[in-house]
Amino acid sequence: DAEITQSPRHKITETGRQVTLACHQTWNHNNMFWYRQDLGHGLRLIHYSYGVHDTNKGEVSDGYSVSRSNTEDLPLTLESAASSQTSVYFCASSDGDPWGEQYFGPGTRLTVT
Amino acid sequence: DAKTTQPPSMDCAEGRAANLPCNHSTISGNEYVYWYRQIHSQGPQYIIHGLKNNETNEMASLIITEDRKSSTLILPHATLRDTAVYYCIVRPYSGGGADGLTFGKGTHLIIQP
Repeated sequence: DAEITQSPRHKITETGRQVTLACHQTWNHNNMFWYRQDLGHGLRLIHYSYGVHDTNKGEVSDGYSVSRSNTEDLPLTLESAASSQTSVYFCASSDGDPWGEQYFGPGTRLTVT
Repeated sequence: DAKTTQPPSMDCAEGRAANLPCNHSTISGNEYVYWYRQIHSQGPQYIIHGLKNNETNEMASLIITEDRKSSTLILPHATLRDTAVYYCIVRPYSGGGADGLTFGKGTHLIIQP
């Protein structure tokens, strides 16, 4: 069955380190998204992509970057991890209307110490 | 200003229908009603969406009032696995961008055995 996966599921890193979170989907969806979820803030959009080589900044993009070299993957990089980036990160994908039916991965819990 | 209003929590007996209300009195003519849910420690899950007609799929039914100012999500035979936070979202088809999917506080539905 087609699916969307994230790795690692849990990560602990130190302040200042570069971290990359992986997202892989097998639905062949054009649209992919990264969100973070924190208590009291709900879901917040970090970056999104409408297709290969397309990337766009979301509401909370500072300190994060993405690249889209193929349809299946949208890795999220924290250039220099900060304690404020401790969060649960969700990747999502969609086809057709990008902002309607989004299908989410299981999440990555990142702790920056 | 919040576009939707939902009760913070609801209980439902296992096997009974769960009816989750949502008020969206300022909805515009081109805006759809979407429902998602998030089971504890999992990614959000798309359930259903509609514009003005009632909709049904394998998970749920969506009843939208004629004036479109409110809607009800119906889980016909709730199980313990339906315990989750349910989010009602109003947004235009294909509309969006940097704000992504905006989840409010949702309704915490607890299915009682």
